[in-house]
Amino acid sequence: ELKVEQNPLFLSMQEGKNYTIYCNYSTTSDRLYWYRQDPGKSLESLFVLLSNGAVKQEGRLMASLDTKARLSTLHITAAVHDLSATYFCAPGGSNAGNMLTFGGGTRLMVKP
Amino acid sequence: DSGVTQTPKHLITATGQRVTLRCSPRSGDLSVYWYQQSLDQGLQFLIQYYNGEERAKGNILERFSAQQFPDLHSELNLSSLELGDSALYFCASSGGYNQPQHFGDGTRLSIL
Repeated sequence: ELKVEQNPLFLSMQEGKNYTIYCNYSTTSDRLYWYRQDPGKSLESLFVLLSNGAVKQEGRLMASLDTKARLSTLHITAAVHDLSATYFCAPGGSNAGNMLTFGGGTRLMVKP
Repeated sequence: DSGVTQTPKHLITATGQRVTLRCSPRSGDLSVYWYQQSLDQGLQFLIQYYNGEERAKGNILERFSAQQFPDLHSELNLSSLELGDSALYFCASSGGYNQPQHFGDGTRLSIL
């Protein structure tokens, strides 16, 4: 059974600072997804990482994937308040379907 | 707007009752996924349909069932409801194996 662990679970940071969220998973997966969720809202797709060594960047967020280490990171550069949300990682399923197994989420609060 | 439509947005009912949640995927997406989000269980995959056929099954209770119709909309049926079934139920759709899953706004189910 695939297990996904994110850390930290909660992150409070000052605007302008950098930080990294880590996502470890227990079994082989060749795809990993990052999502953002605002309180009471839906999940918004941020990144789809499709291969070992994949790196994607959008604005102040950059995601990377190391399939050998079963690790993905989401790096935040010069955080701003608008980035406050919960971030989830989810490796894709290895069966014929594409079920996502979500980590517990990292709740990010960016303070002015 | 993800293009995935879920109805109703809110549902309040009593224990023992049965409800049906409806999902219309994005235009052109053949895959529909159902997820449950609760405080104690987090985000859990329930079931996936692809072009009318069940593709993958997760931790879906026997009291729950789903189907995808020829027009690709999907319904999730929850019966003999218990207090613990109170949760946010998301539907997602995707256009392919390596594409992101796009989530609807969810149906918030409250069991009294």
